[in-house]
Amino acid sequence: DVKVTQSSRYLVKRTGEKVFLECVQDMDHENMFWYRQDPGLGLRLIYFSYDVKMKEKGDIPEGYSVSREKKERFSLILESASTNQTSMYLCASREKGLAADTQYFGPGTRLTVL
Amino acid sequence: GESVGLHLPTLSVQEGDNSIINCAYSNSASDYFIWYKQESGKGPQFIIDIRSNMDKRQGQRVTVLLNKTVKHLSLQIAATQPGDSAVYFCAEPSFLSGGSYIPTFGRGTSLIVHP
Repeated sequence: DVKVTQSSRYLVKRTGEKVFLECVQDMDHENMFWYRQDPGLGLRLIYFSYDVKMKEKGDIPEGYSVSREKKERFSLILESASTNQTSMYLCASREKGLAADTQYFGPGTRLTVL
Repeated sequence: GESVGLHLPTLSVQEGDNSIINCAYSNSASDYFIWYKQESGKGPQFIIDIRSNMDKRQGQRVTVLLNKTVKHLSLQIAATQPGDSAVYFCAEPSFLSGGSYIPTFGRGTSLIVHP
């Protein structure tokens, strides 16, 4: 079974802090994604990565950056956390970019910024 | 069904009834659709998919119907069980150059099953 793990289930940070959210997948998938999920807004794509050291902006990249130094790990970075970044963050991976490739999601990290 | 508002659409059903969750999509050129289920405290999980050359696809207790004329998808769950309580998302592809695609998710529908 594909496993996508996220480093924390719950995080509480203060405004202005630098925050790292880590995601690891164990199936040698090329593509990895970071989404945020807010009530009534569904899943919104922040960044995705085609492969190691490659990244593309999604729909809402402002205030975020990412790092993919190894194929299995995709990190989301909040350089200076703000209260409007309080949200559920979901990581996903898939084998390639084909239409039929299923995304596999991690359990999510609920981030609260005070 | 999917909504443009900020409130999550909710469908409440009795255990044993059939459930129908609706989704409208925007791109008439989309040729592949996926339904995901997200249980409380978990990430979304793949349920079933359908290609645009099909009108209907059946899985175990689930059926997806596709009406390309009105750009509408529905997910039907037969004999709904308490374990079906979750948020359900439809997703359509947004294609990128090079043949890859990024799924675009609807806002979701919350299904509540009453015992």
